[in-house]
Amino acid sequence: AQKITQTQPGMFVQEKEAVTLDCTYDTSDPSYGLFWYKQPSSGEMIFLIYQGSYDQQNATEGRYSLNFQKARKSANLVISASQLGDSAMYFCAMRKTGTASKLTFGTGTRLQVTL
Amino acid sequence: DTAVSQTPKYLVTQMGNDKSIKCEQNLGHDTMYWYKQDSKKFLKIMFSYNNKELIINETVPNRFSPKSPDKAHLNLHINSLELGDSAVYFCASSQLQGAADTQYFGPGTRLTVL
Repeated sequence: AQKITQTQPGMFVQEKEAVTLDCTYDTSDPSYGLFWYKQPSSGEMIFLIYQGSYDQQNATEGRYSLNFQKARKSANLVISASQLGDSAMYFCAMRKTGTASKLTFGTGTRLQVTL
Repeated sequence: DTAVSQTPKYLVTQMGNDKSIKCEQNLGHDTMYWYKQDSKKFLKIMFSYNNKELIINETVPNRFSPKSPDKAHLNLHINSLELGDSAVYFCASSQLQGAADTQYFGPGTRLTVL
């Protein structure tokens, strides 16, 4: 069975600083994908970034990067130059290859960006 | 041009009633999903359809019945609503392509059962 662990229920970061949100995962499958989603207070789920288990390079999307350490089974999200609009819940999720394509989510981290 | 849309956004109803939530995607994806987010913000898969065929059916009470009339639509019907059904229900869609397929979510439907 797959499991995602996010150990930080809440984080604070000052505007313009970088912040790392932790995510560890557990799976016995060799092929899997790791995702991060953002949920602002308005409630929608916004896809941020994806990392494949066989990808050699860490994924980057604008100010978001994924620090993927396969041996440690961690997939931390790094947000650079934080903005007030980054204040939201952040969810790490995983899915394995296969027809049954469900995402397994972590419990989320609430990020608050301060002035 | 909304990619994944859900109606209604809010649904308030009495215990015992039957209600439906509709979902439509215009991304041309072949797979659609229903997720439930509880009061602690935990998200869990309920159902998934691929080309109108049910491929995931997690441990969900059979009061919940998904229906996919075509691959762009996935509706969720709930019979005999209970207090514990209060949650946010998200529809999502993706194009199956191995581990890389990205699921895009609708805006969610907040269901409140009184």
